[in-house]
Amino acid sequence: DAGVIQSPRHEVTEMGQEVTLRCKPISGHNSLFWYRQTMMRGLELLIYFNNNVPIDDSGMPEDRFSAKMPNASFSTLKIQPSEPRDSAVYFCASSLPQSGEAGYTFGSGTRLTVV
Amino acid sequence: QKEVEQDPGPLSVPEGAIVSLNCTYSNSAFQYFMWYRQYSRKGPELLMYTYSSGNKEDGRFTAQVDKSSKYISLFIRDSQPSDSATYLCAIETGGFKTIFGAGTRLFVKA
Repeated sequence: DAGVIQSPRHEVTEMGQEVTLRCKPISGHNSLFWYRQTMMRGLELLIYFNNNVPIDDSGMPEDRFSAKMPNASFSTLKIQPSEPRDSAVYFCASSLPQSGEAGYTFGSGTRLTVV
Repeated sequence: QKEVEQDPGPLSVPEGAIVSLNCTYSNSAFQYFMWYRQYSRKGPELLMYTYSSGNKEDGRFTAQVDKSSKYISLFIRDSQPSDSATYLCAIETGGFKTIFGAGTRLFVKA
């Protein structure tokens, strides 16, 4: 398996623009997570999907952030409009809790810079 | 108080040293205890996890959990320059939620 695939790897955008981050989880995994990592706040959970359904989005910072999972192999995180304080590395992770194994598999992340 | 506390370091050791990385947590209901390794510009990678108090060993790595003290540790024996990375403790609270520590940056000097 190719692992969790995220695109783009890097994104530089101007304040006010819409940004869309993409994630393909590991085939067969039914849980998907979006995290944001900054030096100041570390890894923060933004939203969690189980079987394509959003279960907990309490970590989404504000209405400018939205996430979708239209099918088991694809998810998007959208920021509209973007602001400089959204600059961070955004990670997608997936897991199969029913396997009995703990932990997630993370993608390589999208480094977002909003100028 | 944060639910998971971890000293961010950095920690610098010579090659071959034994490394001790630690975290404390506040909620006795926490269940799974994990350690992730994150290389620069990469995603975190699961190293080890354990459910109960005691030790779990995997090669040069030993994870230790003391539930009575709410203290978890990762020991690295015979440390190598390739071990230089950020190590994050993580605790699963039950259900789906995992809380990560801030991460400790480790440098192993050749």
